Amino acid sequence: GAGVSQSPSNKVTEKGKDVELRCDPISGHTALYWYRQSLGQGLEFLIYFQGNSAPDKSGLPSDRFSAERTGGSVSTLTIQRTQQEDSAVYLCASSYIRLNTEAFFGQGTRLTVV
Amino acid sequence: GQQLNQSPQSMFIQEGEDVSMNCTSSSIFNTWLWYKQDPGEGPVLLIALYKAGELTSNGRLTAQFGITRKDSFLNISASIPSDVGIYFCAGPSNDYKLSFGAGTTVTVRA
Repeated sequence: GAGVSQSPSNKVTEKGKDVELRCDPISGHTALYWYRQSLGQGLEFLIYFQGNSAPDKSGLPSDRFSAERTGGSVSTLTIQRTQQEDSAVYLCASSYIRLNTEAFFGQGTRLTVV
Repeated sequence: GQQLNQSPQSMFIQEGEDVSMNCTSSSIFNTWLWYKQDPGEGPVLLIALYKAGELTSNGRLTAQFGITRKDSFLNISASIPSDVGIYFCAGPSNDYKLSFGAGTTVTVRA
């Protein structure tokens, strides 16, 4: 596709359930980021994938959060046993490191835990 | 990661005003990026800067890469209502991972 695609765009889940958020980066982009953004707040870094290197997981807030990137392309962010404080917009971005570091964002997934 | 300090945290603009925001880092950057986020959308890249001292414009937006390579500013000239949103600066660390500032929230003064 032409841009970064995230699905679903909105997700409402019950507290305690697991959720999976998907990111399709721009084709050929070697780097992929996940961020979390609460209403009116800044971008909270979660995880960074760069080529075949081990991912930088330093931003994951707890062991309930995990992410994988299969085949260097699609990424899935999984939140287990969701809590109400997990409610936020989850943004994915990708970039082509060998060219420059400009990152392009998807529209985000708005997660609401009830 | 890199520490980016963005200011002001928020600002009110009057239509027609020129406004400015800036970003400083704790270490040298080789690239400065400026993004804008509209409500309900993901951030969109506005301007990318690659050389110290570089001054780049995109319509009414002008950004500069500071000569110390530790700062950058973004100017908006002749503000219009659609300039409201959150503006973020960003720059890469040695492993190319981007760090983002906390954002400047721009609101129109009634």
